[in-house]
Amino acid sequence: NAGVTQTPKFQVLKTGQSMTLQCAQDMNHNSMYWYRQDPGMGLRLIYYSASEGTTDKGEVPNGYNVSRLNKREFSLRLESAAPSQTSVYFCASRNFDEQYFGPGTRLTVT
Amino acid sequence: AQSVTQLGSHVSVSEGALVLLRCNYSSSVPPYLFWYVQYPNQGLQLLLKYTSAATLVKGINGFEAEFKKSETSFHLTKPSAHMSDAAEYFCAVSEAGGSYIPTFGRGTSLIVHP
Repeated sequence: NAGVTQTPKFQVLKTGQSMTLQCAQDMNHNSMYWYRQDPGMGLRLIYYSASEGTTDKGEVPNGYNVSRLNKREFSLRLESAAPSQTSVYFCASRNFDEQYFGPGTRLTVT
Repeated sequence: AQSVTQLGSHVSVSEGALVLLRCNYSSSVPPYLFWYVQYPNQGLQLLLKYTSAATLVKGINGFEAEFKKSETSFHLTKPSAHMSDAAEYFCAVSEAGGSYIPTFGRGTSLIVHP
């Protein structure tokens, strides 16, 4: 039981490049989330998916898109990366009132 | 609407001393409250949660928190700090019975001195 896994762990992009962050969970949870973490800002919700086939915007969705590919997988795409998107990205899934977090992807945009 | 305020971005204690991390919340409906811990280069891990049962909640690693409705607080305490407690701590609130979209505080970095 791996829990929530994220790939890649680290990534460096140039401004304007695109990439997809992958997230998968093996706990059969319906709800999944993408957050970004910036120093002194805590975690801010980018997008979430309450169930397979649905996605909704969070607090900071601009510049991102998501896909809930199936119940296990929830990906986050940056179409045209900007330096302001330099951050640590966390994926999470939920069971009742408790969230389970992945180890994070550290993204730098130069 | 819901919000969380964590007082102090950094808290420094000596090993063996009391740990007190402060969290105040705002919620228009009865809240669920959480404390998470994040060790360096890792994801968040649930320490403890309040979901309308006992107001004094015990968590992992000797931590506990007390829900005080009149003060809208959910402070985290531990009687005796260990070096291994050094980490970032996040308080979070969500609406009981709602869509479960928690709001996180900005975090408090706990520094433990030998």
